[in-house]
Amino acid sequence: GAVVSQHPSWVICKSGTSVKIECRSLDFQATTMFWYRQFPKQSLMLMATSNEGSKATYEQGVEKDKFLINHASLTLSTLTVTSAHPEDSSFYICSATRDSSVTQYFGPGTRLTVL
Amino acid sequence: TQLLEQSPQFLSIQEGENLTVYCNSSSVFSSLQWYRQEPGEGPVLLVTVVTGGEVKKLKRLTFQFGDARKDSSLHITAAQPGDTGLYLCAGRAQGGSEKLVFGKGTKLTVNP
Repeated sequence: GAVVSQHPSWVICKSGTSVKIECRSLDFQATTMFWYRQFPKQSLMLMATSNEGSKATYEQGVEKDKFLINHASLTLSTLTVTSAHPEDSSFYICSATRDSSVTQYFGPGTRLTVL
Repeated sequence: TQLLEQSPQFLSIQEGENLTVYCNSSSVFSSLQWYRQEPGEGPVLLVTVVTGGEVKKLKRLTFQFGDARKDSSLHITAAQPGDTGLYLCAGRAQGGSEKLVFGKGTKLTVNP
């Protein structure tokens, strides 16, 4: 299989605080991990692409200083939303690829609510 | 910018009916994937098509990749309530990019 997990599955935080979301590939080493954001009733929007040991590549319009991505190992990537505001409330989903395959395997998502 | 137009956006049918979802683009994709997503969960991969003209079947689901690799379709035969969900197509651009471009999705509701 190709299982990707995310933690936490949901989080509620106060405006101005930072929140860290973890993405793990459980049974494979991920060559690349991706972070998406999905607003209600909308499709997935790619935020950034990350490879282990290198800086993430952010999509146009995504603030890299606000959405910090660390890809510490071949099985773990983290997304930190810094100084979160209510407009950052969304469903954040990660995905991972293995062995340079074209297929992305998605995590179950993290629902972030900023009060 | 590569775009994937997915249609219809919403579809509500009765159990037992057939349906087709379309995914179209003016751009060529090296591969195309179909996912199904349940509310509050991540997308689950249904199929990946790579070759122009390729047809893949998954039980009652039939996926086709256009000859020019610009479009794809998903056909469901004898839909069941368990097929209800958001269906997303996603294309991988040519040139070695790992990024996926997603369509806006088709929200399918199959009524008993």
